[in-house]
Amino acid sequence: GENVEQHPSTLSVQEGDSAVIKCTYSDSASNYFPWYKQELGKRPQLIIDIRSNVGEKKDQRIAVTLNKTAKHFSLHITETQPEDSAVYFCAAPTLYNFNKFYFGSGTKLNVKP
Amino acid sequence: ETGVTQTPRHLVMGMTNKKSLKCEQHLGHNAMYWYKQSAKKPLELMFVYNFKEQTENNSVPSRFSPECPNSSHLFLHLHTLQPEDSALYLCASSQESQNTGELFFGEGSRLTVL
Repeated sequence: GENVEQHPSTLSVQEGDSAVIKCTYSDSASNYFPWYKQELGKRPQLIIDIRSNVGEKKDQRIAVTLNKTAKHFSLHITETQPEDSAVYFCAAPTLYNFNKFYFGSGTKLNVKP
Repeated sequence: ETGVTQTPRHLVMGMTNKKSLKCEQHLGHNAMYWYKQSAKKPLELMFVYNFKEQTENNSVPSRFSPECPNSSHLFLHLHTLQPEDSALYLCASSQESQNTGELFFGEGSRLTVL
C-alpha cells in the first residue's frame, strides 16, 4: 500500500517568513495529493490539492509543487501570518480505491508574531 | 451549522461499557468514513462506506462496529474498549462521483477509555 512520509514534524517561523513542508509517497500510481489544515481543536479542512498532470498550483499565499519522478510534493506558505499556525497534513490515495487516503504524520506550524 | 456533525464531542467510558458515536452529514454525499486520530500519529482510516455499503475495513478490531443505516448517517459502536483506544475519532464524507477526493470532516468525538 501507499506510504506517506512528512517532514518536518514541527516548524517554527517568524511572521512574514516562508514555510515549506515536504511529503514523499511510495506508490508511483498515486495521482492526487491534497493538503489539509487542522487548527487547534478544529476539524481538518482541505486548503489546496494538486493532480499529477500539473507540477505546481498556487492559491494566494499557498502553493503546492509536485515532483512525480522523485515522488514528493511540498506545501509552500509565503508571508506567513499567526493565523497560519496549525497542523498541516499531506495525503495520497491508493490507486485501487480513490476513497482510501494515506495521511502523513502532520507538521505543527507555529508562526511567531 | 450544516456540513458534518458528530455527537458526542467528548466521551469517557470504562472498558466494559457499550457506547456509540454518531455522525450526520448534510452535504448530500454518498461516501462516509471513520478516521482515528492519535497524538503524533497519522490519521488512520478505519472504515469506508459507499452508498451505505462498507467498502473498507482497515484491519480494525471487532470491538469497533460501524453502522450506516443511510447515506447521511454513520455510527461507530464501541464495546469492551482498551485504554489505547483513547483518541479523537473523526467522521468524514465525500462525493465519490466528483472524484475530487475532498474529505469533509466533522469536529470529532474525543474518546477517553479508563
